[in-house]
Amino acid sequence: DQQVKQNSPSLSVQEGRISILNCDYTNSMFDYFLWYKKYPAEGPTFLISISSIKDKNEDGRFTVFLNKSAKHLSLHIVPSQPGDSAVYFCAARDSSNDYKLSFGAGTTVTVRA
Amino acid sequence: DAEITQSPRHKITETGRQVTLACHQTWNHNNMFWYRQDLGHGLRLIHYSYGVQDTNKGEVSDGYSVSRSNTEDLPLTLESAASSQTSVYFCASSGGRGELFFGEGSRLTVL
Repeated sequence: DQQVKQNSPSLSVQEGRISILNCDYTNSMFDYFLWYKKYPAEGPTFLISISSIKDKNEDGRFTVFLNKSAKHLSLHIVPSQPGDSAVYFCAARDSSNDYKLSFGAGTTVTVRA
Repeated sequence: DAEITQSPRHKITETGRQVTLACHQTWNHNNMFWYRQDLGHGLRLIHYSYGVQDTNKGEVSDGYSVSRSNTEDLPLTLESAASSQTSVYFCASSGGRGELFFGEGSRLTVL
């Protein structure tokens, strides 16, 4: 049973607008959350992370929000650029279970010119 | 620059054959992982290792094995390849308990 869910398989957004990617989780023991970006024929690369003791982390155009009570996190990309077209994976770490990461199924973002 | 490399990048094999995918990292990381990526499932953990001689099963370990004889390498072996193991395999390493550094992937097709 997937503990990390990305319910939107795809997202299309116009260049310059905001992209919002959502992620829900079920395991209350997750204490660290990460977003990875993946281009075709390449491995995923780390994008941004957030600890469970925070509710927001910002890095340039990328901001991650965490709502622990709702077990929900989101990634905001502002403004979206053509180079942001990729698959984005949400991941969560369980420190009580050998620090393993669980990944969501991914959301494919397409930025239209 | 430190890196993590996988080989082969593409492999076609037949059902029942033994296959080994290589993973080599020069980060000097203690932690290494193998994931498979399938449509609709994202990345699922196969095996992982937190140091030399340490190996652990992940959520989809059946039919796979790993060994860790040194810090740099974690080869993944499919003892008897099955069509259900057709997938893209990613090796990753980390120095701590969070961020992973991934290789470029190995696409395996089992006919």
